[in-house]
Amino acid sequence: GEDVEQSLFLSVREGDSSVINCTYTDSSSTYLYWYKQEPGAGLQLLTYIFSNMDMKQDQRLTVLLNKKDKHLSLRIADTQTGDSAIYFCAERDTGKLIFGQGTTLQVKP
Amino acid sequence: EAGVTQFPSHSVIEKGQTVTLRCDPISGHDNLYWYRRVMGKEIKFLLHFVKESKQDESGMPNNRFLAERTGGTYSTLKVQPAELEDSGVYFCASSQDATALAKNIQYFGAGTRLSVL
Repeated sequence: GEDVEQSLFLSVREGDSSVINCTYTDSSSTYLYWYKQEPGAGLQLLTYIFSNMDMKQDQRLTVLLNKKDKHLSLRIADTQTGDSAIYFCAERDTGKLIFGQGTTLQVKP
Repeated sequence: EAGVTQFPSHSVIEKGQTVTLRCDPISGHDNLYWYRRVMGKEIKFLLHFVKESKQDESGMPNNRFLAERTGGTYSTLKVQPAELEDSGVYFCASSQDATALAKNIQYFGAGTRLSVL
């Protein structure tokens, strides 16, 4: 079945770049997504990328997609303490989303 | 515009009891989804409604779980009887368009944290 894998934890210093990686198995996924969950809050969509794109940039966020390796990454430039959260990547499978375990990003001042 | 709302935010029940979770999707969204995250693991799909019909219920763990969406508006998820392994955070999401090439942007509620003791 479909599977999405992420590393569990990443720690960076404020002002540095953060790169969160994700691998997925379903090569037929049309869209892939990044969601953010802050403590006590729901999942907030950060960005998404269509499967025929290699890269998408949105302000401080850059998404890179390598379809051959089924690898997705989220780069956050100039990481701030407010970026501390859990980041989930997800792939679309018909109507539902298949999520990874989430990567906890810790930003140290 | 109101987002997806879920009630209650937290429920603590004893094993064997019944709990009903409620989700109000964004107005006008035909698609409603239930997901669950158990103890730091991945968020797992439970089921998908299109209006009042169950489009996909492949993720429902067993027949102790019953989801309804009468009238195609809000949805309830009932767990009866609850077991210890049902503990986790239950998320509801809604989307406007889940057809094949649509972005299917799913908007999530804050979740219901269920603790079964």
